[in-house]
Amino acid sequence: GAVVSQHPSWVICKSGTSVKIECRSLDFQATTMFWYRQFPKQSLMLMATSNEGSKATYEQGVEKDKFLINHASLTLSTLTVTSAHPEDSSFYICSARDERGPTDTQYFGPGTRLTVL
Amino acid sequence: GESVGLHLPTLSVQEGDNSIINCAYSNSASDYFIWYKQESGKGPQFIIDIRSNMDKRQGQRVTVLLNKTVKHLSLQIAATQPGDSAVYFCAEKRRTDSWGKLQFGAGTQVVVTP
Repeated sequence: GAVVSQHPSWVICKSGTSVKIECRSLDFQATTMFWYRQFPKQSLMLMATSNEGSKATYEQGVEKDKFLINHASLTLSTLTVTSAHPEDSSFYICSARDERGPTDTQYFGPGTRLTVL
Repeated sequence: GESVGLHLPTLSVQEGDNSIINCAYSNSASDYFIWYKQESGKGPQFIIDIRSNMDKRQGQRVTVLLNKTVKHLSLQIAATQPGDSAVYFCAEKRRTDSWGKLQFGAGTQVVVTP
């Protein structure tokens, strides 16, 4: 199997505070993980590509100083939303790239619902 | 720009009938396609995938068809059940992308009626 977990599943924070979201691949190692953001009734928007042992690659328009990504091990990537504001409220989803087999598939975590008051 | 898109935003299907969800892509460099199912409040769940050297692939109650000539992808769900109600996304990976990034379509909401 290929299981990806996220923690927390939901978080409520005050404006101006920082929030850290963890993404773990539970039964495989992932050199590459991805962070997405999703608004209601919309598709997934890729924010950044997280590479183990190196700096993340951010998509155009995504502020790297606001969305800090750390991929310190082959099973863990973290996304920290710094100085969060209400407009950062969203559903954040991570995925891990599974390169074990002949195909190259991304498996997703359950998502984290962030609400900034 | 180039993208993966869907023809129908919402599909209403009667329980027991077959569902067909369509997806169009425009990038010739796409060599791998995946269908995901996303239930409300959850992350996308892998359903089935297909490489560009194949035309058809079958899973449990699902079949993916790939027509490279017209750049069209479809997901067929046999004997649709209430638990199949969800948003379905097609995604494509381009051989030119070394990190394996996926391009997602807009999604189709499937509603199963009794």
